[in-house]
This record gives sequence, C-alpha cells and structure tokens, in this order.
Amino acid sequence: RKEVEQDPGPFNVPEGATVAFNCTYSNSASQSFFWYRQDCRKEPKLLMSVYSSGNEDGRFTAQLNRASQYISLLIRDSKLSDSATYLCVVNLGNYGQNFVFGPGTRLSVLP
Amino acid sequence: DVKVTQSSRYLVKRTGEKVFLECVQDMDHENMFWYRQDPGLGLRLIYFSYDVKMKEKGDIPEGYSVSREKKERFSLILESASTNQTSMYLCASSPGQGPYGYTFGSGTRLTVV
Repeated sequence: RKEVEQDPGPFNVPEGATVAFNCTYSNSASQSFFWYRQDCRKEPKLLMSVYSSGNEDGRFTAQLNRASQYISLLIRDSKLSDSATYLCVVNLGNYGQNFVFGPGTRLSVLP
Repeated sequence: DVKVTQSSRYLVKRTGEKVFLECVQDMDHENMFWYRQDPGLGLRLIYFSYDVKMKEKGDIPEGYSVSREKKERFSLILESASTNQTSMYLCASSPGQGPYGYTFGSGTRLTVV
C-alpha cells in the first residue's frame, strides 16, 4: 500500500463549483499534514497546513481525521486560477522532517 | 519570504558528464532536500540534509551524491549523467523540527542527451 494516496483525478469542474479532494495515509505516527498546489511546469507551493480541528483559509477548507487517517481539501466557488495539481503531504518525521508526497490530483476549472 | 534559488532553470548535458546542481536558501534553514519529479511517478526524494556536512540517502540515491559545506548551500552531483536522469530536479528547505512546510526552488529541468 502506498504511504499517501489521493483521488486520481483529473477533476474538471465549472467555475463557481465546489470541489473536494481526498487523501489517505498509511502511517498512523504521521506528525503533520499539508496541502500543496503545483502549477504546470512550476514548483510546488504550500497552500495550507492541516490541523486536527480543521482550518479554513478563504475559499479553502482542510480537514484531518486521525482515526481514519484521512485528509480532505474543499474548494468553494472555484476560480479559473485554481486550476492546478493539488498534492497531499504527510510528515512522518520525529526528528527533523520526513515528508511524503501524494501523487497529486489535477483540477481544471472550466469557464 | 524564504527564497530558495536553484542555479539553472534549464540544463542540457551529455551522457557521462559530471553535473552539478546548486541550491541556495537565504533563511538559515537547517533542513535541505533534493527531489526529482517525473510524470506518473510524482516527487521522489534523492538526498536530504539536516545540518552542515550531514547527508542522508532518500528513496532513490543511486547515481547521485550531495554536498553541504555551508548551511545555506546544498549541491546535488550527478557523477556520470545518464539519459534516465533526465528529469525536473527540485530543491527544498525548511526550518528544524516543527510543523513547517517545505519551500521549494523553481526547479531545474535537466535533459541528458
């Protein structure tokens, strides 16, 4: 089983739609969690950290369920500029950091 | 903002050449990482370093080595470049312990011919 798994995508949604991405991880000792976005032929950029209580940043909401080892990202009122690949990232590290990246889910927001 | 700078955006090298990819970060981060990213394979960790002169193998270290003589600089070395090392190479850095994300450089797209 892969350490971090994501919905394969691609997700093609109309502008204004709400879209949700799911991610599962296998290591119950995982320490921290993130969502990154990566535009075509660019580097990944941190979108948001994911906290146990759930957190929101504008149109983006991240949820973590440690019991089910599950992370989600919800995007409301999607914009054309949200088109990108979204990477789920899990930190296995105790000392320092040991990030494991999911394969990513591609989102295309259509006019 | 943390800045991670990779020396070249695009690079073309010949098979058998020794290739140096340089990465510099300006925020005094302890941790530095080298990844490669290939279509369908995602991001794979090559080497990482938690401190000066310290290095650890990642998931795919074969054919690569690294050097970290100064805290801000982490170099990836392809000892004898091969065509299967054609890839996008991404450097990243992060602070020491804690729930901090990585900051990536803009990447070097290496083609080995």
